[in-house]
Amino acid sequence: KQEVTQIPAALSVPEGENLVLNCSFTDSAIYNLQWFRQDPGKGLTSLLLIQSSQREQTSGRLNASLDKSSGRSTLYIAASQPGDSATYLCAVSGNTPLVFGKGTRLSVIA
Amino acid sequence: SAVISQKPSRDICQRGTSLTIQCQVDSQVTMMFWYRQQPGQSLTLIATANQGSEATYESGFVIDKFPISRPNLTFSTLTVSNMSPEDSSIYLCSVEQGTAFFGQGTRLTVV
Repeated sequence: KQEVTQIPAALSVPEGENLVLNCSFTDSAIYNLQWFRQDPGKGLTSLLLIQSSQREQTSGRLNASLDKSSGRSTLYIAASQPGDSATYLCAVSGNTPLVFGKGTRLSVIA
Repeated sequence: SAVISQKPSRDICQRGTSLTIQCQVDSQVTMMFWYRQQPGQSLTLIATANQGSEATYESGFVIDKFPISRPNLTFSTLTVSNMSPEDSSIYLCSVEQGTAFFGQGTRLTVV
């Protein structure tokens, strides 16, 4: 059974810092991995999708990497801003429906 | 991309009653997914709704508690029946078109 773990559960950083969020999964037989952002009480917004054959994807200040063999992904956020404060979720897609981690709650302090 | 309108955005309900959540997609999709997110937890898939057939429920979820309708390729409803405080969660609908798109979520509080 696929399990997804995200570390840390919460993170607080001053504005301008670069930061890394971690995601690990137990079954490497995945089709893709996605990173989402969730604002309090809201739905999810897709940030990046990495296909299983890819190593990384970039969008603006966000860069996500995937190491399928070791079951790990990282989300790198450059020059963090208060508007980046949210919960970040990763999810993997394989032979089962999307499996989500519990998320990392990020606070960027001005 | 897909745009999903979900309503209501939030509701406070009495135990023993039922609430129906609606999701409207701006394009035709074969499958729609319903998730539950309990406080402090991650998203858990409740069921997959296909147009013209019965929904497929995940382990731990049953049709009597969470009946789903899928009358056409752009619309679906999820009903949370005979509610108890343990049903207090955020409920989300989703579609997949390459990547996953989500509705805004329904925050349900059962008192």
